[in-house]
Amino acid sequence: GQSLEQPSEVTAVEGAIVQINCTYQTSGFYGLSWYQQHDGGAPTFLSYNALDGLEETGRFSSFLSRSDSYGYLLLQELQMKDSASYFCAVSYNFNKFYFGSGTKLNVKP
Amino acid sequence: DGGITQSPKYLFRKEGQNVTLSCEQNLNHDAMYWYRQDPGQGLRLIYYSQIVNDFQKGDIAEGYSVSREKKESFPLTVTSAQKNPTAFYLCASSIEKGPNTGELFFGEGSRLTVL
Repeated sequence: GQSLEQPSEVTAVEGAIVQINCTYQTSGFYGLSWYQQHDGGAPTFLSYNALDGLEETGRFSSFLSRSDSYGYLLLQELQMKDSASYFCAVSYNFNKFYFGSGTKLNVKP
Repeated sequence: DGGITQSPKYLFRKEGQNVTLSCEQNLNHDAMYWYRQDPGQGLRLIYYSQIVNDFQKGDIAEGYSVSREKKESFPLTVTSAQKNPTAFYLCASSIEKGPNTGELFFGEGSRLTVL
């Protein structure tokens, strides 16, 4: 089976840097994705790591260590609009995804 | 514009009634999915389809049914056998062939409330 662990809630101030961790146990592994979801909205794709290392997309970066079954999402220069829930998702079969329970990020002025 | 359209956005149902949620995509994606989300929780896979006329159960398929008669459409029926159907339902699609990009494209969701 699959399991993912991420913190339930994180609070940070505007302009700061925040890291959201994700550890996983899975049978079969293709990669780790990150999604953002604002209250009442649909998840939107942020990034995907299939190989170890850091992927950077603007203010957001994502890291993967396959040997440690661990990844993180790094958000820099936090803005109020970044307040949302962030989900990690393991691709454990080609285009089959298992989602974590999500981390609620609260950005304060 | 390409995307996924779900309807209705809000739906109320009496106990014992079946309801069907619509999902249409014009992204030319082969794979389509239905997820359920409960408050404060992650997404759980109900059903998925990798090709027309074929679909597979996900982790929580009991009380749900789907069909995939056309590539563009993947409707979900919530039957009276689903004991706790009140939830937010999300339809998604992805490219089935080619490199795995790890990306699912989601519709705006359908919020079902059982009265």
